[in-house]
Amino acid sequence: DAGITQSPRHKVTETGTPVTLRCHQTENHRYMYWYRQDPGHGLRLIHYSYGVKDTDKGEVSDGYSVSRSKTEDFLLTLESATSSQTSVYFCAISEGLAGTDTQYFGPGTRLTVL
Amino acid sequence: GQNIDQPTEMTATEGAIVQINCTYQTSGFNGLFWYQQHAGEAPTFLSYNVLDGLEEKGRFSSFLSRSKGYSYLLLKELQMKDSASYLCAVRDRKVNSGYALNFGKGTSLLVTP
Repeated sequence: DAGITQSPRHKVTETGTPVTLRCHQTENHRYMYWYRQDPGHGLRLIHYSYGVKDTDKGEVSDGYSVSRSKTEDFLLTLESATSSQTSVYFCAISEGLAGTDTQYFGPGTRLTVL
Repeated sequence: GQNIDQPTEMTATEGAIVQINCTYQTSGFNGLFWYQQHAGEAPTFLSYNVLDGLEEKGRFSSFLSRSKGYSYLLLKELQMKDSASYLCAVRDRKVNSGYALNFGKGTSLLVTP
């Protein structure tokens, strides 16, 4: 158990509304990641962070922004949700300082955009 | 980019052995991971290979051949609880300021009595 929680665990929202998902970790890991998982696509990286205020884009970053103002929290924001962003979102951390260690996943957030 | 291929579905019998293959193409290999994911749950780490050869961990083993871009996950003495999706993930060389895992689409394994 890597001490990762995600909130909310489930959310239903409407197209055009802003949505923020929170990932919280309790063990001061430097690297944190946001993925989405969709049928037929597998897990795809949205954004990642390598320290407080240090973030970078992943493979599918369009329509998403992130922030990390504290080591323990990594926020994913959908500024204006679209139906194509209906997905299961997983946060992950990797132990160690170089981001080369195994990634461990949080429980996920199921987001439905109507 | 990367191409990671694994079979979509497999079925095996309780008590048997099953091998799940993964092939990949990458510009800079830096390790291969296998994860297990039960329906509705998060992926959980199973194994990691960075050098050629076999890594054994109880009933699960993982093999890597970097020259062939090939890995397999071997599950022995199958149990009903092994019914899950198995994800192959390749870590590429450092991009910007971090590493990223690139995942295959997963292999759904059904274990039957």
